[in-house]
Amino acid sequence: GAVVSQHPSWVICKSGTSVKIECRSLDFQATTMFWYRQFPKQSLMLMATSNEGSKATYEQGVEKDKFLINHASLTLSTLTVTSAHPEDSSFYICSWVSRSTDTQYFGPGTRLTVL
Amino acid sequence: AQTVTQSQPEMSVQEAETVTLSCTYDTSESDYYLFWYKQPPSRQMILVIRQEAYKQQNATENRFSVNFQKAAKSFSLKISDSQLGDAAMYFCAYRSIQGGSEKLVFGKGTKLTVNP
Repeated sequence: GAVVSQHPSWVICKSGTSVKIECRSLDFQATTMFWYRQFPKQSLMLMATSNEGSKATYEQGVEKDKFLINHASLTLSTLTVTSAHPEDSSFYICSWVSRSTDTQYFGPGTRLTVL
Repeated sequence: AQTVTQSQPEMSVQEAETVTLSCTYDTSESDYYLFWYKQPPSRQMILVIRQEAYKQQNATENRFSVNFQKAAKSFSLKISDSQLGDAAMYFCAYRSIQGGSEKLVFGKGTKLTVNP
């Protein structure tokens, strides 16, 4: 099946520091990927869409300077939360769209806690 | 814009029984994809089943099947012979095919409890 890895699975950081989350598609080809945020007991909230080699497209209300996305290759994308604050604490999930099945496959998520 | 509605915030089922989760959506498009994803306590989103709107035949995956009613814009998920491992949040999602967008529009989810 289509496997997506995400690292780290959880991270605790101090307010004001930056945190980088990596997302990889391991066994399938994909070009488009997404970053989501999920609050407890809520659905997924789309943050941005990213295609390899082009700038990410952010959803309304998502600060692009706050959440930096680097789509480095066909299999790797990173999300950097810059100058993190407690309100950035959340569960971040990435997904990739498989070229062959045209279906999104999700990573296991990263729990970020900002103290 | 498309919307997806899951009217059941919570459902419960006895182990080995059958349960149906509801999903309705609103769209003016004629061709699109519909999905059911499962999110267990581990929070890993897992694809359960997918349906192409142009296909009249309902999709099935082992114990999981859908009742796709295109005219009614309804896409319910039936879980047969429920197992304890089926306990999870279930999200219905819509994806447009037109315009090249690959975004998913999610419902708010239904929490399924499986009682032993």
